[in-house]
Amino acid sequence: DQQVKQNSPSLSVQEGRISILNCDYTNSMFDYFLWYKKYPAEGPTFLISISSIKDKNEDGRFTVFLNKSAKHLSLHIVPSQPGDSAVYFCAASLGEGAGNMLTFGGGTRLMVKP
Amino acid sequence: NAGVTQTPKFRVLKTGQSMTLLCAQDMNHEYMYWYRQDPGMGLRLIHYSVGEGTTAKGEVPDGYNVSRLKKQNFLLGLESAAPSQTSVYFCASSYRVGRSSYEQYFGPGTRLTVT
Repeated sequence: DQQVKQNSPSLSVQEGRISILNCDYTNSMFDYFLWYKKYPAEGPTFLISISSIKDKNEDGRFTVFLNKSAKHLSLHIVPSQPGDSAVYFCAASLGEGAGNMLTFGGGTRLMVKP
Repeated sequence: NAGVTQTPKFRVLKTGQSMTLLCAQDMNHEYMYWYRQDPGMGLRLIHYSVGEGTTAKGEVPDGYNVSRLKKQNFLLGLESAAPSQTSVYFCASSYRVGRSSYEQYFGPGTRLTVT
């Protein structure tokens, strides 16, 4: 049973518009959430994170929102750029007591069209 | 700093053969991890280590063994490869404590094909 799910395998957006990537989770014990970005033939790279005690974190064009009651988080990219085209993974952590293990969603492929 | 490096980058094995994947990190991270990535499945944790000489099972450990004899290295072994182990393997590392401990740094991956 997948504890972290990304229900949209792909998303296509026009350059300059907003990209919204969604992620749902089932385990209420997760205490930290992260988004990773992955280009082909490379390893995932960290993008942005949010603690479970917050509902929003912003870093430049990237904002992550957390809705704990709905067990839902989303990544907003504004404005979207062609270089943002990649696979995005959301991940959740149970913290140091669980070895900082991350549980990943299946990924969403974002395509930003010029 | 090289960060996290993985050797080899590509490998083709026949069913039943064995091999070892090597991961090295130069960031003095305490924790290290091995994941596999399959289409539509995201990254799934195989084994991890919270320190030199210690290892633990992750979500999909069957068919794999690991060792961490030195803090900077984490080895993943396949004793008898099966076609189901065809995948891309990623190694990652992180600090043990602190805010940045949640962030894992990934290597470039090893693409393994078992025929």
